[in-house]
Amino acid sequence: SQQGEEDPQALSIQEGENATMNCSYKTSINNLQWYRQNSGRGLVHLILIRSNEREKHSGRLRVTLDTSKKSSSLLITASRAADTASYFCATDEGSYGQNFVFGPGTRLSVLP
Amino acid sequence: KAGVTQTPRYLIKTRGQQVTLSCSPISGHRSVSWYQQTPGQGLQFLFEYFSETQRNKGNFPGRFSGRQFSNSRSEMNVSTLELGDSALYLCASSLDGYRTFGPGTRLTVT
Repeated sequence: SQQGEEDPQALSIQEGENATMNCSYKTSINNLQWYRQNSGRGLVHLILIRSNEREKHSGRLRVTLDTSKKSSSLLITASRAADTASYFCATDEGSYGQNFVFGPGTRLSVLP
Repeated sequence: KAGVTQTPRYLIKTRGQQVTLSCSPISGHRSVSWYQQTPGQGLQFLFEYFSETQRNKGNFPGRFSGRQFSNSRSEMNVSTLELGDSALYLCASSLDGYRTFGPGTRLTVT
């Protein structure tokens, strides 16, 4: 079963705009991670946020985590055409994070 | 340092055949996990190995199996292939919860 659910399923924006993607999950987690995938290739790890963290930054990426609402958001600022990809959230469940569950992903298109 | 490598990158098989995919993790990573990605089902967890032991298994039929060797390299096997097994198979090696994914093996079953 897929715990993480991304919203929206697809997003189309102009270069330079910000893109926000949301992820919701159902059970308690140890951490939540965001990945990017270009055209059916391997997944690239973007950022990991632990359950006791509320916000994390990495370059143009900002991730927030609200464990009370069981949700996370990924913000990409000043988007570029190269950001065009699918973005997935994934949650680590279980006592040692053994259950790794992906959401269905958000397809982001950044138009030049 | 070298990333996660998967071989082969592309594979075409016929229904009823079996297939073995290989994954070499990042040096020092002892955990390897496998995932299946299809347009309909998305990314689904297959199984995870740690120090040659299967630590967790997803909801897949027994036709899907795997193993891990003492050097942490892992293989997954699918027997009696079905058309629905056509997918991108990704493996990931991990350390401290950070999973690094390989490029995947694209399996097409005809």
